[in-house]
Amino acid sequence: DTGVSQDPRHKITKRGQNVTFRCDPISEHNRLYWYRQTLGQGPEFLTYFQNEAQLEKSRLLSDRFSAERPKGSFSTLEIQRTEQGDSAMYLCASSHLGGRPNEQFFGPGTRLTVL
Amino acid sequence: AQKITQTQPGMFVQEKEAVTLDCTYDTSDPSYGLFWYKQPSSGEMIFLIYQGSYDQQNATEGRYSLNFQKARKSANLVISASQLGDSAMYFCAMREALNGGATNKLIFGTGTLLAVQP
Repeated sequence: DTGVSQDPRHKITKRGQNVTFRCDPISEHNRLYWYRQTLGQGPEFLTYFQNEAQLEKSRLLSDRFSAERPKGSFSTLEIQRTEQGDSAMYLCASSHLGGRPNEQFFGPGTRLTVL
Repeated sequence: AQKITQTQPGMFVQEKEAVTLDCTYDTSDPSYGLFWYKQPSSGEMIFLIYQGSYDQQNATEGRYSLNFQKARKSANLVISASQLGDSAMYFCAMREALNGGATNKLIFGTGTLLAVQP
C-alpha cells in the first residue's frame, strides 16, 4: 500500500485558466476528502465522497470548483477560471468505512500557484 | 459556531524534554471527536492521536498523549521525550456529530510550529 497519492505535486497557472488535480486514495478506502490549505492556516474542508456519491460540500466550493469520483476510486478536483485567491495547497485524504474510523490518511498535496 | 483555537504560533523545546501544545475548541454538540495531526515541511498531514468526547480516559499513542479537559474545552497534546524529527507544524482538529450522525468534515486550528533543539 503506497498511501494516498496526488498529481501533480505542483501547478503554476495563469489567472483565468482551468486546472485539474487528481487524487488516488488508498485502495479499498471508500471515503475521500478534499481540503484546501492557505499559507499560515490549517486545512479547510471542501468536499467529501463516500464511494462515488458526493455527500458533503463546503460553501467554499464555489461554482468554479467541481469534484468528481466517477467510479468510487480516484477523484478529480477542477477549478475553472482560476483566480489568484485560489493559490493554495490542495490536500486529499481517504478513510475506510469499517476500518479505524477516526483516521483520515492525507496525501502530499498539490500546490497551486496562480499568477 | 464550531471553532478550534491554537494560541501558540511557535514553540521551542530541548531534545528529550516534554512539550505541551495547546488547543481549545468550541462546540455546542455533545458528541464530537478531537484530533492532532503533524505536518512536516514535506506537507503531508500525519495523524497522531484521537479523543472522543465520551471517552473516559485520555488518549495515548506512544510518545503522544492528549490531555482532555472537557469542562474547559481543551485538548492539549503532550509529546514526551522530544526528538529532532518532531520538528513540524502541529494541527488540532475537531469532527462533530451533526443531527445525530457523524459528519466527516474536520475543522482545523491554525497550527503550532514546534522546533526541537539539540
